[in-house]
Amino acid sequence: KNEVEQSPQNLTAQEGEFITINCSYSVGISALHWLQQHPGGGIVSLFMLSSGKKKHGRLIATINIQEKHSSLHITASHPRDSAVYICAVTGNQFYFGTGTSLTVIP
Amino acid sequence: EAGVVQSPRYKIIEKKQPVAFWCNPISGHNTLYWYLQNLGQGPELLIRYENEEAVDDSQLPKDRFSAERLKGVDSTLKIQPAELGDSAVYLCASSLGQGSNQPQHFGDGTRLSIL
Repeated sequence: KNEVEQSPQNLTAQEGEFITINCSYSVGISALHWLQQHPGGGIVSLFMLSSGKKKHGRLIATINIQEKHSSLHITASHPRDSAVYICAVTGNQFYFGTGTSLTVIP
Repeated sequence: EAGVVQSPRYKIIEKKQPVAFWCNPISGHNTLYWYLQNLGQGPELLIRYENEEAVDDSQLPKDRFSAERLKGVDSTLKIQPAELGDSAVYLCASSLGQGSNQPQHFGDGTRLSIL
């Protein structure tokens, strides 16, 4: 059983589309992280949040603690957004989702 | 600020050979993590250090894997002997202070291929 589930696993979008990636978790957490991993392995931390909503540029992350659910939204998607997006939660330890592979087509 | 630096970037070895990876965390970051990431999977924690102390190594296969963080700064992860199933990306990350609420900063990883 995975403590963190992401959906969809794979996502292909046309440039300009609004994108949503979902994350559900089953453990008690103190924070949730959204990470971006480009081909080649490098991981970048996008957001760390424990409640509400955060926005950075075209990226928006929301979390609902009661429902144990978070979403990552990308507005006006661009080919450079193509990457794997990983949801991770921190409770007693770090739990990682398996990632959502996003491809944005020009 | 310089990020987490890992080397080598890529490593190809034959099975049963030893291999070592090196990680230099962000200056001032007390907590250091080693992760293993298989293709299509999320990272899996191998070991976590607080300064020079390994505080969580429960997932480290100790029969062949070892790690050290002398002086609480740089760290090395070693596999001896390597097996075919060890082919993966090995990621190092660091964070400021203890606790799981600190954001982790990741290195670019070492991609290991076992022939």
